[in-house]
Amino acid sequence: AQSVTQLDSHVSVSEGTPVLLRCNYSSSYSPSLFWYVQHPNKGLQLLLKYTSAATLVKGINGFEAEFKKSETSFHLTKPSAHMSDAAEYFCVVSDWGSSGNTPLVFGKGTRLSVIA
Amino acid sequence: GAGVSQTPSNKVTEKGKYVELRCDPISGHTALYWYRQSLGQGPEFLIYFQGTGAADDSGLPNDRFFAVRPEGSVSTLKIQRTERGDSAVYLCASSSGTSGGADMQYFGPGTRLTVL
Repeated sequence: AQSVTQLDSHVSVSEGTPVLLRCNYSSSYSPSLFWYVQHPNKGLQLLLKYTSAATLVKGINGFEAEFKKSETSFHLTKPSAHMSDAAEYFCVVSDWGSSGNTPLVFGKGTRLSVIA
Repeated sequence: GAGVSQTPSNKVTEKGKYVELRCDPISGHTALYWYRQSLGQGPEFLIYFQGTGAADDSGLPNDRFFAVRPEGSVSTLKIQRTERGDSAVYLCASSSGTSGGADMQYFGPGTRLTVL
């Protein structure tokens, strides 16, 4: 069974400084990995996804993530934080190798605060 | 419509009552998922439909919960004898149903259920 661990429940950065949100996963098959963002009172929005192509994945709003199989990690980064990045971020895994569609398994989330 | 829609956006009910939550997926999407997000947690899988049939209902917490999708489009999540612990945001997602576990799921804005 697959699982996700987000290593920080809350991360606080200053505007203009780098962002690092950490995620480790466990999966029985070849995983698909995603990062979703949830702004207050808004729906979940996909930032980026990894599905066994390039290990460095670029997403929207300047975010990117690197799949490291040896470390079972999929950390999310951004070179320079913006105030509008303040939100809840979820690391998500899905077992691509299993038959049929599979539900997404979400981490508990990391709340990103950006300080002016 | 352009995206996944859910109605109502908010539902307040009393303990013991019956509620129905509706999800309208993206037109043409054959896969539909229900998730539940409790306060401070990531979404948790409830049930997945491929077409009209429930392909995986392993996430339903007990027999008070069930869902239908009679025509392979709109789905209704039904909760009988509601309990205060059922209070959460109920999220619906749909996908094209063609790419296995790598299929991208699009989320609706959710229905916030409050059981008094």
